[in-house]
Amino acid sequence: EPEVTQTPSHQVTQMGQEVILRCVPISNHLYFYWYRQILGQKVEFLVSFYNNEISEKSEIFDDQFSVERPDGSNFTLKIRSTKLEDSAMYFCASRPNRENGYTFGSGTRLTVV
Amino acid sequence: AQKVTQAQTEISVVEKEDVTLDCVYETRDTTYYLFWYKQPPSGELVFLIRRNSFDEQNEISGRYSWNFQKSTSSFNFTITASQVVDSAVYYCALSDTGRRALTFGSGTRLQVQP
Repeated sequence: EPEVTQTPSHQVTQMGQEVILRCVPISNHLYFYWYRQILGQKVEFLVSFYNNEISEKSEIFDDQFSVERPDGSNFTLKIRSTKLEDSAMYFCASRPNRENGYTFGSGTRLTVV
Repeated sequence: AQKVTQAQTEISVVEKEDVTLDCVYETRDTTYYLFWYKQPPSGELVFLIRRNSFDEQNEISGRYSWNFQKSTSSFNFTITASQVVDSAVYYCALSDTGRRALTFGSGTRLQVQP
């Protein structure tokens, strides 16, 4: 069964450093998403991406965050200058169209120290 | 604005008991989708079900069943004859035409004791 692949599974970074989280969505999917889950809390929407542009973003997704689909297969989330409160599990998701369900990756656990 | 409420923070049952997880949602849209996801201790999000607002038929899949009631804005999830492997956090989620991305509830942690 096709999967959404996220790398790395765990990343530790120092406060103030830039990080890039990588995702390979399912190949025929057109809609891409990033969600975040702070430890012990619910899953929160960050951003959706369609047709090479952001289609929707939450209030969490401020100027420190950016997304990119650089080569037609990868979908990346960049955090420019990480803060301690960015420590969380980050999930990538994709779906083929708006009527279908979402397929989530297994997540990247980001720890900012 | 959308909202999903899962009032049960944690439920503990003994194996083979039936258990119902409650989900109440709010949306102004007439077209929306409701989801349930399972998050086992390993952390991934496992899709369980998706229903659209025009389909109020209840659904059964093995030991799992879902009760969708538009009149009470509820989409409850029942596990029959629970097993230890059902232990996880279960999330109810909503998407509508206003926000197409998922809005998650706060989750219900289910502990099934042997």
